[in-house]
Amino acid sequence: AQTVTQSQPEMSVQEAETVTLSCTYDTSENNYYLFWYKQPPSRQMILVIRQEAYKQQNATENRFSVNFQKAAKSFSLKISDSQLGDTAMYFCAFMKLSNTGNQFYFGTGTSLTVIP
Amino acid sequence: DSGVTQTPKHLITATGQRVTLRCSPRSGDLSVYWYQQSLDQGLQFLIQYYNGEERAKGNILERFSAQQFPDLHSELNLSSLELGDSALYFCASSVVGTSGANVLTFGAGSRLTVL
Repeated sequence: AQTVTQSQPEMSVQEAETVTLSCTYDTSENNYYLFWYKQPPSRQMILVIRQEAYKQQNATENRFSVNFQKAAKSFSLKISDSQLGDTAMYFCAFMKLSNTGNQFYFGTGTSLTVIP
Repeated sequence: DSGVTQTPKHLITATGQRVTLRCSPRSGDLSVYWYQQSLDQGLQFLIQYYNGEERAKGNILERFSAQQFPDLHSELNLSSLELGDSALYFCASSVVGTSGANVLTFGAGSRLTVL
């Protein structure tokens, strides 16, 4: 079975600073996807960034980037130039590929507060 | 708009009642997933369907049931409701297999309040 662990229940960062959210996972799969989702106070689930396990290059989306360490099964999210709108709950997720329906596993979330 | 449509957005009902939540997946997605999120809690996976068939089951209570119809829309039925069932219920959908578009797309959620 796959498990996803987010060991930081809460974090805070000053506006314009950089923050890194941690995520580790456990799997015996060789090919899979990893995601970070953001849930702002509106509670909408928004995809932030996606990483394919067979790609060594770390994914980047504007101010968001990941540090994917496949051997260590680590997938951290770095937010640069933090903005007030980044205040949200962040969920790390693992996707197991399947031709009969991909399966997703979520961490417990990290609540991030950006301080003005 | 994510492409995943959930109705109703808000629902208030009494204990002991039964409700049905409806979800239309994003066009082309064959898999539908249901999640429950209580206030300040994480996502609890309830159940997954693929092309009309149950694919995986999580922590879904026996009072809850779901199905996916031939047109791929899905319904989550909650019966004998209790106060603790008050939560935000998300539907999400995904493509299948190794498509480069692999992603889980969430609807806006149905907020259920049981009084």
